[in-house]
Amino acid sequence: EVQLLESGGGLEQPGGSLRLSCAASGFTFSSYGMSWVRQAPGKGLEWVSGISGSGSSTYYADSVKGRFTVSRDSSKNTLYLQMNSLRAEDSAVYYCAKASRIAPAGKYCFDDWGQGTLVTVSS
Amino acid sequence: DIQMTQSPSSLSASVGDRVTITCRASQGVGNYLAWYQQKPGKAPKLLIYAASTLQSGVPSRFSGSGSGTDFTLTISSLQPEDVATYYCQKYNSAPQTFGQGTKVEV
Repeated sequence: EVQLLESGGGLEQPGGSLRLSCAASGFTFSSYGMSWVRQAPGKGLEWVSGISGSGSSTYYADSVKGRFTVSRDSSKNTLYLQMNSLRAEDSAVYYCAKASRIAPAGKYCFDDWGQGTLVTVSS
Repeated sequence: DIQMTQSPSSLSASVGDRVTITCRASQGVGNYLAWYQQKPGKAPKLLIYAASTLQSGVPSRFSGSGSGTDFTLTISSLQPEDVATYYCQKYNSAPQTFGQGTKVEV
């Protein structure tokens, strides 16, 4: 059974930093692309960032490019999202999501999701 | 980037009704289109991928159709447990953009 468990959310001031983690189990982690998707309170889903199975390719939404960095550690089966220069509009529940198939960058949807971790950016 | 537009934004229907949600892409995405169901306080759940392929375990009352720019999610007989928000997503390339969502009420 695939399990994805996010952690690292919390309250941070504007301009601050947070690092989210997503511990994965139940599948061959290094074979699958992974992504972060966020949802602001009462709003829809927004894809944030993705990374290939090998970690060699990363990609970002324009809204976070230059501020967020996605990475992965296959020895720990863990996905990360380093969030710097946080803004109020980054406040959201952040989900990690697993690619539905082994495929090139972006050519997959998401068949498993974590439960999400809440990030609040406020002074 | 390709934009995804869903309609309607919300709908209310009766148990047993046939419900249709549409999703339009600003450029062609082939059949790289997925549909998700999200219930309040829960993570999204994959319903349909490749525009019309039902994910394992999803009830057969859900179906999808379309290709290119116009897609449809149909619930053939609405059930109380189908109350949720439904999202389309294109995944022909990054960014894997979502539609804005359609809230379904019974």
